Amino acid sequence: EVRLVESGGGLVQPGGSLRLSCAVSGFTFSTYWMSWVRQSPGKGLEWVANINLDGSEKHYVDSVKGRFTISRDNAKNSLYLQMNNLRADDTAVYYCARDGGGSGWYYWGQGTLVTVSS
Amino acid sequence: DVVMSQSPLSLPVTLGQPASISCRSSQSLVYSDGNTYLTWFHQRPGQSPRRLIYKVSNRDSGVPDRLSGSGSGTDFTLKISRVEAADVGIYYCMQGTHWPHTFGQGTKLEIK
Repeated sequence: EVRLVESGGGLVQPGGSLRLSCAVSGFTFSTYWMSWVRQSPGKGLEWVANINLDGSEKHYVDSVKGRFTISRDNAKNSLYLQMNNLRADDTAVYYCARDGGGSGWYYWGQGTLVTVSS
Repeated sequence: DVVMSQSPLSLPVTLGQPASISCRSSQSLVYSDGNTYLTWFHQRPGQSPRRLIYKVSNRDSGVPDRLSGSGSGTDFTLKISRVEAADVGIYYCMQGTHWPHTFGQGTKLEIK
């Protein structure tokens, strides 16, 4: 059974940092691109970042470039999202998902809530 | 970025009746490989999105054939032939042809 389990969300002040983790099981993690997708009441669903098999290629939506860093540890079957200089509009549920290329994401985690507020 | 526009945003439907959701993109979704990367997701309250249909009309495993996707270029449709209680929730279209991949605003289907 494929499982993706996110953790690390919480309440953080504007300008603060958080690191999200996603523990993966049920498939060979090192053979798939992975993504972070977020969902906020104001902006709906938004792809945030993705990463290739060995972590050498990463892509970000413009709004997080320079603030967020996606990474992975294939030995630990884990995906990460380091979020710095957080803003109120980063408030969202963050999902990790197995990348399906142009066909989107079939496997999703349950999400972790990030709230940026003073 | 490619803008995805869905209509209607709210869709009240009687059980057993058909439903249709439109999705339009601001650019053609035909990719250089000949595929059209238009995907439909369904999300129930408190749950993660579930992929239903990919590449316009390909149903994912377990998706009933009451649901069908069609369209081409910039104009796409999700149809439900007979709405059941399990169909309530929000439906999103998403384009995977252009980076960044972008979603529609969502269409909320509810039972009348």
